Amino acid sequence: GAVVSQHPSRVICKSGTSVKIECRSLDFQATTMFWYRQFPKQSLMLMATSNEGSKATYEQGVEKDKFLINHASLTLSTLTVTSAHPEDSSFYICSAEPGQGRRQPQHFGDGTRLSIL
Amino acid sequence: EDKVVQSPLSLVVHEGDTVTLNCSYEVTNFRSLLWYKQEKKAPTFLFMLTSSGIEKKSGRLSSILDKKELFSILNITATQTGDSAIYLCAVERGGGADGLTFGKGTHLIIQP
Repeated sequence: GAVVSQHPSRVICKSGTSVKIECRSLDFQATTMFWYRQFPKQSLMLMATSNEGSKATYEQGVEKDKFLINHASLTLSTLTVTSAHPEDSSFYICSAEPGQGRRQPQHFGDGTRLSIL
Repeated sequence: EDKVVQSPLSLVVHEGDTVTLNCSYEVTNFRSLLWYKQEKKAPTFLFMLTSSGIEKKSGRLSSILDKKELFSILNITATQTGDSAIYLCAVERGGGADGLTFGKGTHLIIQP
């Protein structure tokens, strides 16, 4: 089945550091990938939609200069949390929908747990 | 604004019991409703529902959608400890590539 790989799975770093998270579709091409954030005991919240070859679309309240998204190929999207602060600590998870033109569900990566000290 | 409400938020039952998880939604231009199971990491896909009244089944799990009442249920029969997880309901809007709007999930605990 469709596999989405996310890396790294865990990051612990100091305040002010920028952190890059990769999301790869391993066995399918994805023109669109999605980035979600999940705080403890909360649901997944969509942050942005990553579009291959064009700018990402951000949800209301998500700072585009803070969360940089690059979708340079059909199998890779990256999310960079710039100058991370403790309030950015969260579980970040990406998804992709396989099957261009066919209805298939989104498949999720294993997520990245980000802890900013 | 799209909205997904799941109930109950948590549920503790004994192995062998049957459980019903609820999901109500409000969404502009509904496309599909999805159920996922989340254990420690990524949500894993269970069902995608697009049409009213058609039950989808996978082993001991089944789900159905009511587009008139804007409601879906997920049933698990003969529960096992391995069914313990957070069950997430999400809706997808039509009209293009859109992310999902998730409910808060139902935390299901199956006691031996």
